[in-house]
Amino acid sequence: AQKVTQAQTEISVVEKEDVTLDCVYETRDTTYYLFWYKQPPSGELVFLIRRNSFDEQNEISGRYSWNFQKSTSSFNFTITASQVVDSAVYFCALSASSISNFGNEKLTFGTGTRLTIIP
Amino acid sequence: DAGVTQSPTHLIKTRGQQVTLRCSPKSGHDTVSWYQQALGQGPQFIFQYYEEEERQRGNFPDRFSGHQFPNYSSELNVNALLLGDSALYLCASSLSRGIYEQYFGPGTRLTVT
Repeated sequence: AQKVTQAQTEISVVEKEDVTLDCVYETRDTTYYLFWYKQPPSGELVFLIRRNSFDEQNEISGRYSWNFQKSTSSFNFTITASQVVDSAVYFCALSASSISNFGNEKLTFGTGTRLTIIP
Repeated sequence: DAGVTQSPTHLIKTRGQQVTLRCSPKSGHDTVSWYQQALGQGPQFIFQYYEEEERQRGNFPDRFSGHQFPNYSSELNVNALLLGDSALYLCASSLSRGIYEQYFGPGTRLTVT
């Protein structure tokens, strides 16, 4: 069974502060993929990043960075110098490879973290 | 390049009725997945279609069924609607081979009264 836990239900920070969103996952598969999606008030899930279980390099994209640690089963997301436009619900998701040859297994989502950036 | 589109945007139905939601995948994508997102929750996987067949299914009752057409578009049907079926229904499309992110549509907000 797969599980994603986002313990932070809601976070509020003042604009320009840094903020880290936590994600802890569970899976018995050795090959898996982790994702972060952003859901603004419009409702559409916007893809942010995908990481596979064999690549533990941290990644930085502009103000966004991701820290993947297999030892603690965590895939945390940090926004540096937050902006009001970052206000949204953020979801961490897990996709584990099965015996099939397909790569796009179902996504298992966490319950999300609502991030509010206060101007 | 059109993204994933869904129709209708909003829908209000009465308990016991049946509903059909529609999804057109992103250009070039051949796989469609459906998710249900209850208020305040993360999306829950319903099923996935590829080559007009259901390839994977989540923990949803048989009242939830789907279809994929030769042009890769898809429909989600829900019979005998319950109040608990009220949710945002999200469609996601992807390529069948390789590990590619799933692109989501704007969703259909279903309200069952």
